[in-house]
Formats: sequence, structure tokens, C-alpha cells
Amino acid sequence: LAKTTQPISMDSYEGQEVNITCSHNNIATNDYITWYQQFPSQGPRFIIQGYKTKVTNEVASLFIPADRKSSTLSLPRVSLSDTAVYYCLVGDNGNNRLAFGKGNQVVVIP
Amino acid sequence: EAGVAQSPRYKIIEKRQSVAFWCNPISGHATLYWYQQILGQGPKLLIQFQNNGVVDDSQLPKDRFSAERLKGVDSTLKIQPAKLEDSAVYLCASSLVIPPPGAYEQYFGPGTRLTVT
Repeated sequence: LAKTTQPISMDSYEGQEVNITCSHNNIATNDYITWYQQFPSQGPRFIIQGYKTKVTNEVASLFIPADRKSSTLSLPRVSLSDTAVYYCLVGDNGNNRLAFGKGNQVVVIP
Repeated sequence: EAGVAQSPRYKIIEKRQSVAFWCNPISGHATLYWYQQILGQGPKLLIQFQNNGVVDDSQLPKDRFSAERLKGVDSTLKIQPAKLEDSAVYLCASSLVIPPPGAYEQYFGPGTRLTVT
């Protein structure tokens, strides 16, 4: 299993850019890196997915270095509604199991 | 497009009782997943269906948990008998197809919060 390591929690002020890091030293060649967001009392929601370099969508950017052993999710100008748990996942080695860790609790402060 | 529907949203039972959860995935999604999320932890996959066949149930406690997806659409997850440690949120998710290794996009329902007393 490809394992991920994230900080447990972080705080940020409203309007700032938030960068959330994830380590995945054992990522496999075919694995993608996927990030989900979970609000209280809701199921996780897909944010972004990438394989290498940089991916950007309307919500976030994902930066992946050449060795792919880590990734950084960047949320531009966060608002209070971005307070959530953010999960980093990498593909399991071949059996398609989606393995969530404990995630990173991001709290946006006014 | 309607999302993944789950019912009930909340359930309180006593230990040793049985309980069932229902999930209706997004129309056209062949793959359906059940997860267990204990407070403070990430979701843990219990079982994965492709149409009405089981793809992965390696983490399903089969002595008390069962799941079915008879017509390849709706699914039910049952616990019998329940234990205190089964208190958790049970999440259902669906996706279009089993993705290639490493590429995942699943759509989650709101979950059912189970409390076992």
C-alpha cells in the first residue's frame, strides 16, 4: 500500500493562500495523487488529481515534484467556508482500493 | 444531476441489534463503495461492487457485516449483530467504472450516522 503522511491540522487567515503538503515516499509508477475535501456531516468531495508537475482547476492547484514523493495542494485566497479536512490519497498498488489517512484539518480564521 | 442518496441519515440502536443502510448511486455509475468512518479518522473501505459483483471485500467484517447489490443499482449494507465499536458514519460512494490503478474520482453520499448503545 502506498502510504501518505500529512500534518494533522493547520490554521490560516481568511484571504490567504493555503498550502497543504503530503508525503508519499512509496508511490508507484502508475499511481495518481488525488485530493478530497470533507466538511462536517458530509461525505468527501473530489478536489483535484494529478500525476506530475502542476495541475490547476477552478478550486485549487496541485504541485508535484519530479520525484513524485510529495505533493502540495494550494488553495488560493481561502474563505471561512474552506474550513474542512483535506485528504491526500495515492493509488493502491494495483487493487484500486482507495486508502484514506487521517487527513489534515484546515481551520480558516476570520 | 442527482447525487448519491443514502438513508437513513441517523440511526440509534442497542448492541446486538441489527441495522440496515440503503444507498442509491448516481445513475449510470457501475461501481459502488461502502466506507466506514469512525470519528476523527478517514473513511475505511468496507466493500466495493462492480455492477452486482463484489470486487473487494477484504476489509469487511464478514461475521457481522453483509452487503448486496442485487440489480447492479441500489445497495444495502447490514450489520447483525451490532457492537459498540460499530458506531460510525457509513458512507456510500459511486464512480463510473473501476478506474485504472491510481486514478480515482468517487462521488460520496451524505452518510448514515450509526450510534450503538
